[in-house]
Amino acid sequence: DADVTQTPRNRITKTGKRIMLECSQTKGHDRMYWYRQDPGLGLRLIYYSFDVKDINKGEISDGYSVSRQAQAKFSLSLESAIPNQTALYFCATSDPKAGTGGRNPYNEQFFGPGTRLTVL
Amino acid sequence: QQPVQSPQAVILREGEDAVINCSSSKALYSVHWYRQKHGEAPVFLMILLKGGEQKGHEKISASFNEKKQQSSLYLTASQLSYSGTYFCGTPGGGGGSNYKLTFGKGTLLTVNP
Repeated sequence: DADVTQTPRNRITKTGKRIMLECSQTKGHDRMYWYRQDPGLGLRLIYYSFDVKDINKGEISDGYSVSRQAQAKFSLSLESAIPNQTALYFCATSDPKAGTGGRNPYNEQFFGPGTRLTVL
Repeated sequence: QQPVQSPQAVILREGEDAVINCSSSKALYSVHWYRQKHGEAPVFLMILLKGGEQKGHEKISASFNEKKQQSSLYLTASQLSYSGTYFCGTPGGGGGSNYKLTFGKGTLLTVNP
């Protein structure tokens, strides 16, 4: 089945360390997203990418960077991790071209299983 | 701006009904609904578009009031499998595009036997 995968699934690290979270998808979708989830705060968008050459900041991009290595891969980096970056991180994909006439007005997002990151 | 969901939490017995509301301070072209079961990733449930078009879930319905800038999700005859956190998402792209969503804080629904 076409899928969205994230590695690692769990990570514990120390303050100041550089961390990379990886996302891969076999759905063939152009659009990829990184979200952060904290209890009671919902899902907040960190970065999103429409294709390999198009990367955009979301609501909470400070302290994060991303790399879109290929259509199928979108990585999130924390250059110098801090404790308040402890959270659950989700990658998601969507495809605005699916559907009738190459246009998908629905553009639903498909989420990966998440990475639980703890920064001590 | 983040849409506002209410209630924050609701507890039901199996077979009871629930309504979850989502409101926005800006004009809406669409509203997306997702459900996240405990320990899992969010999963798409339903999208409602301006003009009445929607793509939905078999047993869950929703309404979209463009004038009031709000949407409601109706869960009727709830089942244990309905338990989870429900998020609404509103688009933030130019021209009402659905490509970038801002999610509400979520509503935790618990269905007990």
